[in-house]
Amino acid sequence: NAGVMQNPRHLVRRRGQEARLRCSPMKGHSHVYWYRQLPEEGLKFMVYLQKENIIDESGMPKERFSAEFPKEGPSILRIQQVVRGDSAAYFCASSRQRQGELAETQYFGPGTRLLVL
Amino acid sequence: DAKTTQPNSMESNEEEPVHLPCNHSTISGTDYIHWYRQLPSQGPEYVIHGLTSNVNNRMASLAIAEDRKSSTLILHRATLRDAAVYYCILRDRIQGAQKLVFGQGTRLTINP
Repeated sequence: NAGVMQNPRHLVRRRGQEARLRCSPMKGHSHVYWYRQLPEEGLKFMVYLQKENIIDESGMPKERFSAEFPKEGPSILRIQQVVRGDSAAYFCASSRQRQGELAETQYFGPGTRLLVL
Repeated sequence: DAKTTQPNSMESNEEEPVHLPCNHSTISGTDYIHWYRQLPSQGPEYVIHGLTSNVNNRMASLAIAEDRKSSTLILHRATLRDAAVYYCILRDRIQGAQKLVFGQGTRLTINP
């Protein structure tokens, strides 16, 4: 059973370009989460999605950032008009459908390291 | 999510046990205690979680204080591969807060 997959693992963009980060959840997982880790800082939650729905985007910057998790295919985190401050590691996690009252364990991917020149 | 407090860093020797403390004095009755770790240049990895009773799995043990205001992650025999940042996180089991709130964690160094 393959783990959470993210691609690309490394992405270099110039200021003003767009960055698209992809996340394929573990098989059987219908919940996806995106986190960002700025250099020398902790992980910060960005957005939580279920298939075709955004459940919680409280950690997403209001501008330039968007996320989707379509019925078919991977989840996409899209950053438009990137700036140097967007340089960070972006991690995706997935979990199963909630079972009863227990929050399910999140399994993380290896991350995409974005460098904005 | 309730706040947790962990030492910034700890150091231990290979083959010895490691006890990583976490204080969560404002924990509520519906909070589970989760531990994740992040190895260098990798994504976080689930380690263990518990509610009231001590828990054991193949990776570690979790000792939870009787009043639940603190807990300790125990690595019984540390190896160099256990060098990582360890995060203690509280998750509400009822309200269903899905996001993980990471603090600064404890950076564990293992000496050969």
